[in-house]
Amino acid sequence: NAGVTQTPKFQVLKTGQSMTLQCAQDMNHEYMSWYRQDPGMGLRLIHYSVGAGITDQGEVPNGYNVSRSTTEDFPLRLLSAAPSQTSVYFCASSDRGSNQPQHFGDGTRLSIL
Amino acid sequence: GNSVTQMEGPVTLSEEAFLTINCTYTATGYPSLFWYVQYPGEGLQLLLKATKADDKGSNKGFEATYRKETTSFHLEKGSVQVSDSAVYFCALSEGWYYGGATNKLIFGTGTLLAVQP
Repeated sequence: NAGVTQTPKFQVLKTGQSMTLQCAQDMNHEYMSWYRQDPGMGLRLIHYSVGAGITDQGEVPNGYNVSRSTTEDFPLRLLSAAPSQTSVYFCASSDRGSNQPQHFGDGTRLSIL
Repeated sequence: GNSVTQMEGPVTLSEEAFLTINCTYTATGYPSLFWYVQYPGEGLQLLLKATKADDKGSNKGFEATYRKETTSFHLEKGSVQVSDSAVYFCALSEGWYYGGATNKLIFGTGTLLAVQP
């Protein structure tokens, strides 16, 4: 079982460039989400999805887009990269239900110059 | 809104020492509570969870009890090892209210634990 797979692991972008962070899970989980991790701030929710075709905003959605066309995939798009988006990004998935633990990918370390 | 507060780190201990990492929360409804652990260069892994008041979660010698009266979920281990060195995150998942449930996790800021031989 691969679990949650994120690509790429590292990326450097210039301000204004766009890119897509990929996330795929093979556990047939309904719920998927994207978090960013910044020093001293823990993890903050960017966007989440409760199933194919359904997405919603989290705590820090500005500058990011998502879509969920299949159960397995949940890509995160940066529309016009800014230095404030330098962070480590984690994708997670889980079964539906607030008592269900989330399974995390290994993260994408993104630097915006 | 809902929030999680955990003790600042780093916490530095000698091997075989007793560990406590404090975590308190603010929430409406009936949240589930989690401890996640992050080893260097890796994603987060579930360490333990508790889904209702007075539940005790346990795993790998770590324990935490869901205390609704004190809104706390402190992490404890009786004897830490060098291999326990990592960042520990307390988190809550909003529970059922108004007929809906959400898997959204709210995290504390994390506590770095360094165990010295």
